Amino acid sequence: AQSVSQHNHHVILSEAASLELGCNYSYGGTVNLFWYVQYPGQHLQLLLKYFSGDPLVKGIKGFEAEFIKSKFSFNLRKPSVQWSDTAEYFCAVNAGNYGQNFVFGPGTRLSVLP
Amino acid sequence: NAGVTQTPKFQVLKTGQSMTLQCAQDMNHEYMSWYRQDPGMGLRLIHYSVGAGITDQGEVPNGYNVSRSTTEDFPLRLLSAAPSQTSVYFCASSPGQVDTQYFGPGTRLTVL
Repeated sequence: AQSVSQHNHHVILSEAASLELGCNYSYGGTVNLFWYVQYPGQHLQLLLKYFSGDPLVKGIKGFEAEFIKSKFSFNLRKPSVQWSDTAEYFCAVNAGNYGQNFVFGPGTRLSVLP
Repeated sequence: NAGVTQTPKFQVLKTGQSMTLQCAQDMNHEYMSWYRQDPGMGLRLIHYSVGAGITDQGEVPNGYNVSRSTTEDFPLRLLSAAPSQTSVYFCASSPGQVDTQYFGPGTRLTVL
């Protein structure tokens, strides 16, 4: 069965610091990759997604992610974080066959200090 | 569009009670799912549906039932609540098999 791992459970940064959150998955075939964000008390929202093409994808609020197929990774980055980025971030992988192969990582909690 | 709606927002049950969590979407999405979110475990798929009349089990289906009589609605039934079912439940819908999922606001369930 495929799985998704996220490197950090909790990341604490000061405002304006750069952010990189790691995501690795285990699946040898074609995958579609997602990053979702959950702000405190809110539901999950899509940050960005990769289906094909340019492996560097840009999302909302200045986030971007790079798909590196050889490393089975899809790391999330932001050059300068803001206090409002405090949230939990989930990486997700879909290998087709809706439901059966849509797997979320355990999440990384990001705390940005003002 | 309201998107994906869930009711109730909060619920407290006693062990052994049953209840139904409601989920509805107005985007005409064929695909719908139920997840539970527990600390440190991300979201785990309970049941999903690829269209009206079609449902299937996810990763953690035990203790839950679903049905999909219409495209819009996808209720989740807890048959006999247990403390291990204390969690936050999210419903999601998607326009396509490998497309973005849109999430509801969640139901926080506590089983005493």
